[in-house]
Amino acid sequence: EVQVVESGGGLVQPGGSLRVSCAASGFTVSDNYMSWVRQAPGKGLEWVSVIYSGGSAYYADSVKGRFTISRHNSKNTLYLQMNSLRPEDTAVYYCARDSISKGGWYFDLWGRGTLVTVSS
Amino acid sequence: SYVLTQPPSVSVAPGQTARITCGGNNIGGKSVHWYQQKPGQAPALVVYDDSDRPSGIPERFSGFNSGNTATLTISRVEAGDEADYYCQLWGATSDHPLFGGGTKLSVL
Repeated sequence: EVQVVESGGGLVQPGGSLRVSCAASGFTVSDNYMSWVRQAPGKGLEWVSVIYSGGSAYYADSVKGRFTISRHNSKNTLYLQMNSLRPEDTAVYYCARDSISKGGWYFDLWGRGTLVTVSS
Repeated sequence: SYVLTQPPSVSVAPGQTARITCGGNNIGGKSVHWYQQKPGQAPALVVYDDSDRPSGIPERFSGFNSGNTATLTISRVEAGDEADYYCQLWGATSDHPLFGGGTKLSVL
């Protein structure tokens, strides 16, 4: 079955760090563009970061310099390392597979998400 | 910066047609994608590239994009269609995906 499963969320203090993971099955992470998208409680969707199949990585301005996306090819797993966390980073973090079309890109596969809470 | 504007809520009776709009400057010149998010669940793609449907999505879901408005149309609405719907495009003012604020569809 083609799916992604996130893990690693939890409660962390402001200024702290956390790494969330996304284990993929049924397809190869390194052959695809893969993104992290987050959703603050009761709010809409916000794109966070992408890693291209070639390895280039890009970030939303709100997390640039604090978050790092990476992957482990042999484990077929995507990661998001989050440092200097702020209360406004509190959200459900979704792993998503990107699909590239004639008009740009969209997300054709989503995980169920992992909740990150930043609070003292 | 580019903004995608969606109405916060749309209400429709079962069996009727729901139309959810996504406004943006010359959005008709871009490809728009739509996601459905039911309560407590992850988003799911229902329309991509303005009007294409992924496999498994009913023909009741359709999309159109022209001028300054993209529209997701749900025909013969069912109770199970009650959800939040988000539009999304890429590369409006940066090389990044952008989401609309979302529309809550209520089935009366």
